[in-house]
Amino acid sequence: EAGVAQSPRYKIIEKRQSVAFWCNPISGHATLYWYQQILGQGPKLLIQFQNNGVVDDSQLPKDRFSAERLKGVDSTLKIQPAKLEDSAVYLCASSLSGISRVYEQYFGPGTRLTVT
Amino acid sequence: AQKVTQAQTEISVVEKEDVTLDCVYETRDTTYYLFWYKQPPSGELVFLIRRNSFDEQNEISGRYSWNFQKSTSSFNFTITASQVVDSAVYFCALSESILTGGGNKLTFGTGTQLKVEL
Repeated sequence: EAGVAQSPRYKIIEKRQSVAFWCNPISGHATLYWYQQILGQGPKLLIQFQNNGVVDDSQLPKDRFSAERLKGVDSTLKIQPAKLEDSAVYLCASSLSGISRVYEQYFGPGTRLTVT
Repeated sequence: AQKVTQAQTEISVVEKEDVTLDCVYETRDTTYYLFWYKQPPSGELVFLIRRNSFDEQNEISGRYSWNFQKSTSSFNFTITASQVVDSAVYFCALSESILTGGGNKLTFGTGTQLKVEL
């Protein structure tokens, strides 16, 4: 079974530029998550989708970050304009979704963003 | 608000030693889930275990074992006879009740860097 795919793996941009990340979840996983992991810290959830609807985006800096999952499969995360503090690894994860239980999340390899 | 504390920033051991990684959590929910993930140098988080709050039985999987104690709000992870390939950052995470609309929200600790040397 194929895992979570992400691209690109690395990206270097200058501040105030824009950047986009792509994620393809595990087939059949209705729930998709984007996390930000700053060096030396644990991942922090940015946004969570259930199919193509947003479940939680409370920690997404909406003035510069946006995300979409139009057909309930692939997702893109965009930053515009980027700031130095956005330098981090952006992780995509997916999971099954149920009414009565919590499923483990499976993570992609991440995109390492450096903002100069 | 939920919180996960991994007080050990870095642990170094010699191969074949046993090592325990500590995890302490805070939550107001009576129903919650605890997880451990491994993050090797390649960067991808690898799922190791999920445990719900109603199951306090310890679990063993090969050289890995987990000790869940609700009384002390701890979910510790022990690697027996450590190997160089165990070198990684290990994260403990907490998920409270299922969100309206499905899925769950993980709160991660800051991780413990484990270095296993020959």
